[in-house]
Amino acid sequence: KAGVTQTPRYLIKTRGQQVTLSCSPISGHRSVSWYQQTPGQGLQFLFEYFSETQRNKGNFPGRFSGRQFSNSRSEMNVSTLELGDSALYLCASSSGGQETQYFGPGTRLLVL
Amino acid sequence: QQQVKQSPQSLIVQKGGISIINCAYENTAFDYFPWYQQFPGKGPALLIAIRPDVSEKKEGRFTISFNKSAKQFSLHIMDSQPGDSATYFCAATFGGYSTLTFGKGTMLLVSP
Repeated sequence: KAGVTQTPRYLIKTRGQQVTLSCSPISGHRSVSWYQQTPGQGLQFLFEYFSETQRNKGNFPGRFSGRQFSNSRSEMNVSTLELGDSALYLCASSSGGQETQYFGPGTRLLVL
Repeated sequence: QQQVKQSPQSLIVQKGGISIINCAYENTAFDYFPWYQQFPGKGPALLIAIRPDVSEKKEGRFTISFNKSAKQFSLHIMDSQPGDSATYFCAATFGGYSTLTFGKGTMLLVSP
């Protein structure tokens, strides 16, 4: 089975721009979660999508949004980028319950 | 509010020694406690997990000890090897949901 894939792997943007990150879950997985990883704050939950519906949301501003398509692929969008948005953005997929979440390698975003 | 506190932040252990990482949680609703291992450039991967109705779980060289009354759990890595050098995260979730609340991570270095 192919693992979770994320594109692009690296991204450089400037303040004020917007960015879209993509995640393809493991085949058959209906849940996709997004996490932000920074040295200072660690791993923080952004949101989870299950069967195209946002099921849970973390404590991030509205500039962070996402969606999920009928094939379970998910995109995350960040608008009006700030320097503090520089981070590794990780996507994880699962069948939807409490069992193992499988993480992708992440997209490293640098905001200049 | 940091719901899962992890210590130490970093740890150096000699090859063959025991690595011990501790976590404490505040939310008594948490009912699933996984540990994730992350190598540089990779996403976190599930190592071992425990539920609060069990006080200990062992898988190979990795053991989780769980103290429900103290709201603490720990990871023990026996016979630590240089290949175990990675960042380890404790996490917690509840209610059958997959949303993970992570500790801030422990960077483990096993010296040859």
